[in-house]
Amino acid sequence: KNEVEQSPQNLTAQEGEFITINCSYSVGISALHWLQQHPGGGIVSLFMLSSGKKKHGRLIATINIQEKHSSLHITASHPRDSAVYICALNTDKLIFGTGTRLQVFP
Amino acid sequence: KAGVTQTPRYLIKTRGQQVTLSCSPISGHRSVSWYQQTPGQGLQFLFEYFSETQRNKGNFPGRFSGRQFSNSRSEMNVSTLELGDSALYLCASSETGDGYTFGSGTRLTVV
Repeated sequence: KNEVEQSPQNLTAQEGEFITINCSYSVGISALHWLQQHPGGGIVSLFMLSSGKKKHGRLIATINIQEKHSSLHITASHPRDSAVYICALNTDKLIFGTGTRLQVFP
Repeated sequence: KAGVTQTPRYLIKTRGQQVTLSCSPISGHRSVSWYQQTPGQGLQFLFEYFSETQRNKGNFPGRFSGRQFSNSRSEMNVSTLELGDSALYLCASSETGDGYTFGSGTRLTVV
């Protein structure tokens, strides 16, 4: 069984829609990261969470430590949000989910 | 503040050769970690260095090695390249080992 599972694998949306990406894990962690990767490869760290909720602009990330689950929400999605979103577990090393490919169409 | 710099950006090597990739972390960051990304396996942890010492290592063969210098710059080396080593190699630097800043990666193609 994978230590981290992300869903969905692929997501398409119309501009303006509310997006949710989920991440479930089965190991103890000190924190969870949400990362964004655009075509070309560069990765940007969006959030690092150890509890509760964080918000940055249209992005919101939540984590429930007891349920071992985190979500990334994008409000009022825009074509520039099109990217791969990856959750990563902070243990003694980073353990990555397989990513969610999001495409937002105008 | 300059970001994490990886060189080269692209590299083509032949099977059996060796390759060295470089990563310059953000000034003041003492932790540098390396990752391999392939379409089949996704992102996988290679190793982490902190103050010139390897702190952790992923499940990769001994052909993959690394080091960190006193200025925190890090290099990774892959010897006896195989076709399956073709990947995007990313490094990330961290001040505390929690928050990470990633470089743009080196795309290695083995032919």
